[in-house]
Amino acid sequence: DAGVIQSPRHEVTEMGQEVTLRCKPISGHNSLFWYRQTMMRGLELLIYFNNNVPIDDSGMPEDRFSAKMPNASFSTLKIQPSEPRDSAVYFCASSWASGGREQFFGPGTRLTVL
Amino acid sequence: SQQGEEDPQALSIQEGENATMNCSYKTSINNLQWYRQNSGRGLVHLILIRSNEREKHSGRLRVTLDTSKKSSSLLITASRAADTASYFCATGNNDMRFGAGTRLTVKP
Repeated sequence: DAGVIQSPRHEVTEMGQEVTLRCKPISGHNSLFWYRQTMMRGLELLIYFNNNVPIDDSGMPEDRFSAKMPNASFSTLKIQPSEPRDSAVYFCASSWASGGREQFFGPGTRLTVL
Repeated sequence: SQQGEEDPQALSIQEGENATMNCSYKTSINNLQWYRQNSGRGLVHLILIRSNEREKHSGRLRVTLDTSKKSSSLLITASRAADTASYFCATGNNDMRFGAGTRLTVKP
């Protein structure tokens, strides 16, 4: 099993540009989570999906952030327009079922917004 | 939402020593999980302990849970340099929340 796959691994962009982060969960997992990690705020849950349906997006910081999961094997997190304070490492994780199960994390995307 | 808080924030020990990290949380839980994060990597699940369990072992890891005190501890015995990482506890169900972590440094 390849584990959770995220792309790109690194992204450097200029303020105002659109950024799209991608995630492929582990096959068979039906829950997917997006996190953001910074030194100041630690690891924050942004949004999670169960069976491709967004369940809780209360962690999404602003309307500039949006996430989709068009099918069980793919999810995107989009930031439009990006700002320097969005610079962080963004992790995607997946798990089997929901309810406090073990989550498997991807390697993360390090985003730098200049 | 529930959130674990780890203590201490940082811990530095010599190889071979034991490392103990603590986690406190605020509300009732069904289970509590511990994760490890090596620098520049994603989190890796270590162990899950259910609310009706008091202690659980996995290799050199020992986790305890005291629901009356709303606290958990992670003990790593006979530490190795490779154990150097940040350790997080997490509580919650679907909306699992992580604490700020304990940064463990094991000196060879």
